[in-house]
Amino acid sequence: NAGVTQTPKFQVLKTGQSMTLQCAQDMNHNSMYWYRQDPGMGLRLIYYSASEGTTDKGEVPNGYNVSRLNKREFSLRLESAAPSQTSVYFCASSEALWGAGAPGEQYFGPGTRLTVT
Amino acid sequence: ELKVEQNPLFLSMQEGKNYTIYCNYSTTSDRLYWYRQDPGKSLESLFVLLSNGAVKQEGRLMASLDTKARLSTLHITAAVHDLSATYFCAVGDAGGADGLTFGKGTHLIIQP
Repeated sequence: NAGVTQTPKFQVLKTGQSMTLQCAQDMNHNSMYWYRQDPGMGLRLIYYSASEGTTDKGEVPNGYNVSRLNKREFSLRLESAAPSQTSVYFCASSEALWGAGAPGEQYFGPGTRLTVT
Repeated sequence: ELKVEQNPLFLSMQEGKNYTIYCNYSTTSDRLYWYRQDPGKSLESLFVLLSNGAVKQEGRLMASLDTKARLSTLHITAAVHDLSATYFCAVGDAGGADGLTFGKGTHLIIQP
């Protein structure tokens, strides 16, 4: 059981370049999330997907798009990277509240460290 | 809008001492989570608190939830160096799958 995996681990982009961050989970969870972590800011929700086929904006969605490709995979795309998007990006997944285990407990991937110059 | 405030944001303490980290949140919720993060690493789930009065303990850490006061505490007993990390509380909206709102984290350093 790999849990939540993310690729790449590190990335450096120039302003204006695009890229996609990949996330996959093997826990059969319905919900998946993308967060960004900046120094002294905690984690902030970018987008989430409550189930396959649905996506919704979180607190800081501007400059990002997402795709819930299937139940396992949830990708985050930066169409035109800006220095303000330099951050560590975490993907997470959780079972729905009515599922087994601790309701709503989120499991996090290892993170992608992105630098935009 | 749900807001989560942790304090202190930085704490340096000696081994063997006790201390408490506080987490206040602004709107009704019955789901509160504590996570630990080591430098350069991901987040590790510590506790899940789902009801008023809930108390969970693991080793030297104990977490509690008071939903009426909108307050959770993480208590450290007889601290050891291995507990040095950043601790986050996070609160779930009543709606469920909306993601979590995190506090800014408490950077804890435990010195021998």
